[in-house]
Amino acid sequence: EIVLTQSPATLSLSPGERATLSCRASQSVSNYVAWYQQKPGQAPRLLIYEASNRATDIPARFTGSGSGTDFTLTINSLEPEDFAVYYCQQRTNWPPITFGQGTRLEI
Amino acid sequence: QVQLQQWGAGLLKPSETLSLTCAVYGGSFSGYYWSWIRQPPGKGLEWIGEINHSGITNYNPSFKSRVTTSIDTSKNQFSLKLTSVTAADTAIYYCARVSTILGGAPFDPWGQGTLITVSS
Repeated sequence: EIVLTQSPATLSLSPGERATLSCRASQSVSNYVAWYQQKPGQAPRLLIYEASNRATDIPARFTGSGSGTDFTLTINSLEPEDFAVYYCQQRTNWPPITFGQGTRLEI
Repeated sequence: QVQLQQWGAGLLKPSETLSLTCAVYGGSFSGYYWSWIRQPPGKGLEWIGEINHSGITNYNPSFKSRVTTSIDTSKNQFSLKLTSVTAADTAIYYCARVSTILGGAPFDPWGQGTLITVSS
């Protein structure tokens, strides 16, 4: 099973700042990593697929990068609505499909 | 725009069977896999399994002996059954489409989630 390790567990920033979230895989997952945003009481929402492709209607301030074992989600100029929990997910070597444990982005 | 709506009994006793159904509205049902994912309260996401329109299934080995998924293409619905539940199965359960047209086949969109509580 591929383990995805996200860091940091919690990131405290202010609106307007840049957030950098990391996801590291226990073995190569090529570029088949997705990122999701989850707000309290809501289902996760797809942000990024295939490491760097923004999903439909996702603002350009969200950028994904990486390949192999190291991936990054960057959020430029944080908006108040961006404060949420973010998860990475892989589907390269499965079953099982696995998720990271999440990074909480807080104000 | 595709929407997923799910339902099922929310309170179960230990050893009972969890049963959830997810209906797909507004888009193609064929050609995709349809998945179940759960999230224990305050914790992360765990993939349970998936099924496609032909009934081909893939399961997380952690659940394989207890889980069954089924599909009803006439109603654009798919279902999850998880047997012999315990308190450890208490979680929010989500249905989701596997977007096979996107690289890496991510989950998009998701249902609204159903809280399942297992308690005696």
